[in-house]
Amino acid sequence: DAGITQSPRYKITETGRQVTLMCHQTWSHSYMFWYRQDLGHGLRLIYYSAAADITDKGEVPDGYVVSRSKTENFPLTLESATRSQTSVYFCASSELHYLAPHGYTFGSGTRLTVV
Amino acid sequence: EDQVTQSPEALRLQEGESSSLNCSYTVSGLRGLFWYRQDPGKGPEFLFTLYSAGEEKEKERLKATLTKKESFLHITAPKPEDSATYLCAVQARKGDGGSQGNLIFGKGTKLSVKP
Repeated sequence: DAGITQSPRYKITETGRQVTLMCHQTWSHSYMFWYRQDLGHGLRLIYYSAAADITDKGEVPDGYVVSRSKTENFPLTLESATRSQTSVYFCASSELHYLAPHGYTFGSGTRLTVV
Repeated sequence: EDQVTQSPEALRLQEGESSSLNCSYTVSGLRGLFWYRQDPGKGPEFLFTLYSAGEEKEKERLKATLTKKESFLHITAPKPEDSATYLCAVQARKGDGGSQGNLIFGKGTKLSVKP
């Protein structure tokens, strides 16, 4: 199916464990983004990528690592999960960055709980 | 610093009771303002993009307007299916502010429409 898919939809992990959230898009969009959404904070940008092998930090990058070896995939890794990283994570993509007329297209999210 | 403030945080309406949601922003140079709708357990879904003061966009019962400091999302004769969280986001011109042209989101307004 065409679109942007995130996996898993739900994840529970323990403090200190490494966990990777997956994001896959079928449009060959150049730009991909990772946001987290928390009550009282709204959506905050973690990392973004302009193309394969090009990534940059957003507003809240600490504790996260990203990679983009293929255009269609943009995994987000929490190297050592902490309770403060409990959140809903959204991946988004866009053909353009600055001139995208519709902003970004979002996936359905991954709800991560760190216990 | 680029900021977006949405009000009210929550709004309860009776079916057919028209109202407006507010999005005020401070950004060094506005390139675009975006409205999204988010249903529970889903990612944000694009509604409108506004580029300059005085611009208006309409879609069914929704109309978005833009001034130099704020945007309004007017909901005319709402129905229960309009219940959702409405998000506002701004994009600054490249080189202005620290957001690097990425979308900056407000915390959203949760709208509930009772039959």
